[in-house]
Amino acid sequence: SQQGEEDPQALSIQEGENATMNCSYKTSINNLQWYRQNSGRGLVHLILIRSNEREKHSGRLRVTLDTSKKSSSLLITASRAADTASYFCATDYGNNRLAFGKGNQVVVIP
Amino acid sequence: DVKVTQSSRYLVKRTGEKVFLECVQDMDHENMFWYRQDPGLGLRLIYFSYDVKMKEKGDIPEGYSVSREKKERFSLILESASTNQTSMYLCASSLPGRAGYTFGSGTRLTVV
Repeated sequence: SQQGEEDPQALSIQEGENATMNCSYKTSINNLQWYRQNSGRGLVHLILIRSNEREKHSGRLRVTLDTSKKSSSLLITASRAADTASYFCATDYGNNRLAFGKGNQVVVIP
Repeated sequence: DVKVTQSSRYLVKRTGEKVFLECVQDMDHENMFWYRQDPGLGLRLIYFSYDVKMKEKGDIPEGYSVSREKKERFSLILESASTNQTSMYLCASSLPGRAGYTFGSGTRLTVV
């Protein structure tokens, strides 16, 4: 089954810095989504970008999608300690079924 | 606020027991999903349902079954629990063709 793969796997940054993580996938998608998971909890939907979109913003989040390279990036600007979490990309490969990557651990140091 | 509620946060069961994990959503969503999450493996889809009394196998259905008798409730059943089913189980729901899943808080199941 298709799966997104995040890179880097772990990121440690100072509060106020920007955090960037990437996701690659293998086949055509309808859309790509990013989720956040705080330790031991469920996932929270952050943002969705459709296959015909190249960039999308939501608050401090910026997502890009390059379908020719089959990759996406998530940028969190001006990070806060509360942004410490795992971030997952998920690809919609039809019928609203999502395939999740393994996740990317981000630690924001106050 | 919309919600997906999983009946237990933590569960400890013995090998061979039949285990029921319950998930209820209050958003009138057609789609419901069960995933398990394991370190290094990410989220893997076990079963999903697009409608009442309808179910489809996901990527790892072996050892599991599901029940969806009412739209708001999707139950995951471990017929005979084994230690390799120790995991975090996540339920999610969504509307067809709409943005994003809503997840429950998860059930951490330990089989001893």
